[in-house]
Formats: sequence, C-alpha cells, structure tokens
Amino acid sequence: DAGITQSPRHKVTETGTPVTLRCHQTENHRYMYWYRQDPGHGLRLIHYSYGVKDTDKGEVSDGYSVSRSKTEDFLLTLESATSSQTSVYFCAIRTGSGNTIYFGEGSWLTVV
Amino acid sequence: RKEVEQDPGPFNVPEGATVAFNCTYSNSASQSFFWYRQDCRKEPKLLMSVYSSGNEDGRFTAQLNRASQYISLLIRDSKLSDSATYLCVVNQAGTALIFGKGTTLSVSS
Repeated sequence: DAGITQSPRHKVTETGTPVTLRCHQTENHRYMYWYRQDPGHGLRLIHYSYGVKDTDKGEVSDGYSVSRSKTEDFLLTLESATSSQTSVYFCAIRTGSGNTIYFGEGSWLTVV
Repeated sequence: RKEVEQDPGPFNVPEGATVAFNCTYSNSASQSFFWYRQDCRKEPKLLMSVYSSGNEDGRFTAQLNRASQYISLLIRDSKLSDSATYLCVVNQAGTALIFGKGTTLSVSS
C-alpha cells in the first residue's frame, strides 16, 4: 500500500462540464503523475509534478490542467470535458529508491 | 517505431506451463526497467524490477539485454492466478516511465 487515494473513483459527467480528479498521498513523495489508460493505447502520461507548484506536460496533456499546491495533493482538471476524455485515470507516485512508481486504484470517468 | 513494444497476445496456456514474454525498447539511453502486472479493472502493480544481471523471484525470472534492447519475463509452473496483463516499463533518467501496451496471459485448468 503506497498510501495513494484517488477521488472520485467513478464519475459520469456531461460534455462541456469541468471535472476535477484528486490524488492524495500520505508519504510525502516528491514525484506524482497522472496517466490515462485506454484500450489499444495503454498507459499514457498526461502531466506530472516534481514538487509543490512544479509541474510539466506529458504525452497527452491537451485538454487537461494540473495543480499541486501541497505535497500531498495533485489535482487533474478537465476544463471542458469531451467524450474523448472518457477513460480510466491513474495517479501514481515515485519512490525515492529504484525509481519505482506505485499507482492509485484509478478513477473511472465517463463523459456523455 | 514505438518506444516500448510488446506482443499483445493473448497467450493461452495450461496450468503448469512455462511462458515467456518479450519487450523491446527504442531508446538506448533507458536506464531502469520493470515488469508490472495488471488485473482486470485494477491498477498496475509492480511485479519486479529488471537488472542487467537478470533476476529471479520465485517462479518469475526477468532478463535484460541492453545490446539488443529487449527485456524478457519468464513464468514457470503457471498458476490460474497468473492470468493478467503484464506491462513492460522503461525509464530514462529524469523522465516518467514509458509503458508498453501489455501482454495478456490466460492460464486455464
């Protein structure tokens, strides 16, 4: 158990509405990540953070923004949700030793 | 060429069989290598790291060939509980992990 909690775990929202997913960690890890996973594409990096207020884009960042105002929380925001953003979203943290990452349980988002 | 490539399978094997998965990566600067396991509708979980010298954990053996840029995972004496998707993962210094799309294993009795 890497002490990662994602919320909400499941959400259905309408096209055009804003959505925020929260990732909370309890072990003070510096690096946090947001991935999405889709059939045929595997896991793709959306954004990551390497410290409070330090974030960078990943492979599929368009349509997403992130914020990290506290070490323990990394928020992913879809400013105006689209059907193409229907996916499962995984938050992850990286441990200091071995560059190993551990995932949260995932947030299933459906945009209708 | 994709950064990390895996045969998607599915691999369908009987209990007790030995099965091997391969994975190739494109960036020769890659430094860390891992195998993750993912069950249906669950998060990926670290199975094992892969070291240049090869490493073994019970029925699982991982090997790295830097010259040919591939990683392998061998599962001996397959169990029903080994049925899952196995993800090959590669890391370059200072970047996030790059995941393969996964290889699906189905072990039947």
